[in-house]
Amino acid sequence: GAVVSQHPSWVICKSGTSVKIECRSLDFQATTMFWYRQFPKQSLMLMATSNEGSKATYEQGVEKDKFLINHASLTLSTLTVTSAHPEDSSFYICSARGPSGEEQFFGPGTRLTVL
Amino acid sequence: QKEVEQDPGPLSVPEGAIVSLNCTYSNSAFQYFMWYRQYSRKGPELLMYTYSSGNKEDGRFTAQVDKSSKYISLFIRDSQPSDSATYLCAMRGNTGGFKTIFGAGTRLFVKA
Repeated sequence: GAVVSQHPSWVICKSGTSVKIECRSLDFQATTMFWYRQFPKQSLMLMATSNEGSKATYEQGVEKDKFLINHASLTLSTLTVTSAHPEDSSFYICSARGPSGEEQFFGPGTRLTVL
Repeated sequence: QKEVEQDPGPLSVPEGAIVSLNCTYSNSAFQYFMWYRQYSRKGPELLMYTYSSGNKEDGRFTAQVDKSSKYISLFIRDSQPSDSATYLCAMRGNTGGFKTIFGAGTRLFVKA
């Protein structure tokens, strides 16, 4: 149980285009989901906390107009990277607060490369 | 000073060895302590989850929390080549909206 999926697993796009990444909790409902960014050999950097039916809470330094987060249902949150630039290339990982409310389960990640 | 300090390694051990991984932290408000395993280009996988101080064992894995020293450990017994991965410690308090702070991760290599 407590499986989180992400789609796509990798994406390559041109500079200036927008990319949408989906995060789904497959066998449980997640009122809270999180989006992280991870650079090579570095730890996870929390970008935003997404609560179902409300606006996401962004961490300091994260541009909310560039990284659009939508949590429209209890099993789906999306992250849209708008007007992507090469410096946005990274590994994006989502997670969901588990059924017990105490644990956090991660998706497999999405590798974004912006040319 | 970072809230959570973790030696990035790499740590290389022979198969069958006991591995000790650890983290120190500065925020005494942390109450929940986790260890995640992350394989290359994959998302982190929850290994151990403990609340407050004490020990927790699950198969070959043992997690220890010493809140008085602000020090947590993960022990892996009879290490296997398949244990080769990056191990991330993580922790959070009771407040702060479930915000979790992660260590930098320790890269472990278990040689056959």
